Amino acid sequence: AQTVTQSQPEMSVQEAETVTLSCTYDTSESNYYLFWYKQPPSRQMILVIRQEAYKQQNATENRFSVNFQKAAKSFSLKISDSQLGDTAMYFCAFMLTQGGSEKLVFGKGTKLTVNP
Amino acid sequence: DAGVTQSPTHLIKTRGQQVTLRCSPKSGHDTVSWYQQALGQGPQFIFQYYEEEERQRGNFPDRFSGHQFPNYSSELNVNALLLGDSALYLCASSLRTISNQPQHFGDGTRLSIL
Repeated sequence: AQTVTQSQPEMSVQEAETVTLSCTYDTSESNYYLFWYKQPPSRQMILVIRQEAYKQQNATENRFSVNFQKAAKSFSLKISDSQLGDTAMYFCAFMLTQGGSEKLVFGKGTKLTVNP
Repeated sequence: DAGVTQSPTHLIKTRGQQVTLRCSPKSGHDTVSWYQQALGQGPQFIFQYYEEEERQRGNFPDRFSGHQFPNYSSELNVNALLLGDSALYLCASSLRTISNQPQHFGDGTRLSIL
């Protein structure tokens, strides 16, 4: 079964500090893609960062970076210099391809609050 | 460059009724996927459409059906509504010829069943 587990339902961090959100996944595929999406109260799901499983180098997008451990099936998100606008639900997702069609499998999310 | 647009924003229905939700994909995209997000949960895949056909389906009953039009826009229909159908319904679009690209999401339709 293809599953994504986010073990931290809620987290909080002080503005300007660093926080790490955890994600583990289960798949039998060898090549796949992983994503972190952010969903603020406005509801729109916004892509934060993505990682291609065949790349050993961890992806980085400005203040956001991942720690991808393929053998451990772990994909954590690190947010540096946290800002108030980072307050949102964060979802880890795995892209599953079946018969030429792709779908995202999401975890249950982590609610992140950045405090002033 | 228009992003993914969904309508309506919010809808209230009663049990047993039928509902139609609409989605226009991001400009240049030809594939539309629908997700259901219950309160406090991550989105669950309903189905995906491209070339006007359903290509993959998640674990949802036949009460959930869809359609894709020649202009790539899509509709999600739900019949015989149940209280458990109350959720945020998200539409996502992508370009089929480029695999493993991020799906772009709309703001969703909040469906409330009374």
